[in-house]
Amino acid sequence: QKEVEQDPGPLSVPEGAIVSLNCTYSNSAFQYFMWYRQYSRKGPELLMYTYSSGNKEDGRFTAQVDKSSKYISLFIRDSQPSDSATYLCLLQGAQKLVFGQGTRLTINP
Amino acid sequence: DVKVTQSSRYLVKRTGEKVFLECVQDMDHENMFWYRQDPGLGLRLIYFSYDVKMKEKGDIPEGYSVSREKKERFSLILESASTNQTSMYLCASSVMSNSPLHFGNGTRLTVT
Repeated sequence: QKEVEQDPGPLSVPEGAIVSLNCTYSNSAFQYFMWYRQYSRKGPELLMYTYSSGNKEDGRFTAQVDKSSKYISLFIRDSQPSDSATYLCLLQGAQKLVFGQGTRLTINP
Repeated sequence: DVKVTQSSRYLVKRTGEKVFLECVQDMDHENMFWYRQDPGLGLRLIYFSYDVKMKEKGDIPEGYSVSREKKERFSLILESASTNQTSMYLCASSVMSNSPLHFGNGTRLTVT
């Protein structure tokens, strides 16, 4: 079993929809949680960084962490075609650093 | 803003050549990383460094070496390039452990 599981998709939704992207993990040593967006032929770009359970909001993006269930989510509200990209979760803790596989998202106009 | 610069966006090399990939960060970050990214395999860690002249093997170090002579620069070396090293190579840096990684825009290497 992988330490971090992320559905690779692809996920295709209409413009304006709410998007939910998820990662589950098995190791409770992970205490720091990040979400990245990666456009084609570019490096990953940091979107959200959090280390506590609960929600953190930044514009149209909300990161949610549930440490008891070992589950993190990224919500995108009012999705736009420019949100079409691959989204990666990154979990860190206890000298470990593990990426999810990435979810490819397409927002259709 | 953190800037991580990789010297080349695209490289084409022949089998057996020695290849140098250069990465420079401008934020005095302690940690630097080299990943490769392949479809279906995600990001895989090749090497990382927590300090000048220090290096640690990642998950797939075979066929690679690294050099960190100055804090801002981390080089990845392919001693004798092979076709299975054709990939997207990504450099990243972070200020300390458990901090977010900041990535460069990658080098697409093709070995023929």
